[in-house]
Amino acid sequence: QVQLVQSGSELKKPGASVKVSCKASGYTFTSYAMNWVRQAPGQGLEWMGWINTNTGNPTYAQGFTGRFVFSLDTSVSTAYLQISSLKAEDTAVYYCARELGGVVVTAPDAFDIWGQGTMVTVSS
Amino acid sequence: QSVLTQPPSASGTPGQRVTISCSGSSSNIGSNTVNWYQQLPGTAPKLLIYSNNQRPSGVPDRFSGSKSGTSASLAISGLQSEDEADYYCAAWDDSLNGVVVFGGGTKLTVL
Repeated sequence: QVQLVQSGSELKKPGASVKVSCKASGYTFTSYAMNWVRQAPGQGLEWMGWINTNTGNPTYAQGFTGRFVFSLDTSVSTAYLQISSLKAEDTAVYYCARELGGVVVTAPDAFDIWGQGTMVTVSS
Repeated sequence: QSVLTQPPSASGTPGQRVTISCSGSSSNIGSNTVNWYQQLPGTAPKLLIYSNNQRPSGVPDRFSGSKSGTSASLAISGLQSEDEADYYCAAWDDSLNGVVVFGGGTKLTVL
């Protein structure tokens, strides 16, 4: 079946880096763009940006530039989110989510398949 | 403060019909389609409604969406206990170089 499986929870110290993986199965990975969404503890959803899985071109939302990097390994149908110079306020669940409209879209629309989420905790 | 405004809570009894509102502006709801997500406790969000009023395969027809001007609504009829969850509206916003904006979420309680 179509699914996204993310890597497990991470506990990091401030200043460290983390890389979250999102492995797709059940569909052609390069046919659908991938979005990333953050949810801080007890808070709502926040769109971080997306990556064109065909070209590898990432787009970052305001507030997610500089320390956040989206990347791909199409050979294993996996998307990655790397966060560097971690801060306490980066503590959150991070979700990858497939773009319903495919990969040839001008803007993200609906997210039809979600990963189970990866909890990243930043604490000294 | 979320760009899209939702009531923080809503409630209903089993079998009732409840609606959840989502208010935006001309740069988001007013010019783009609205999507709704359901997040059950401790789980990832699930797409409930896309393109204002379309249901993905597998979503019961008890769930319906509508949009008018710069506002949208999610209606749930025949309320069931398993509908107790957080509901989020979302839309593309043409301002600020473009961004997907979410509502703050509405916690639905089935009494």
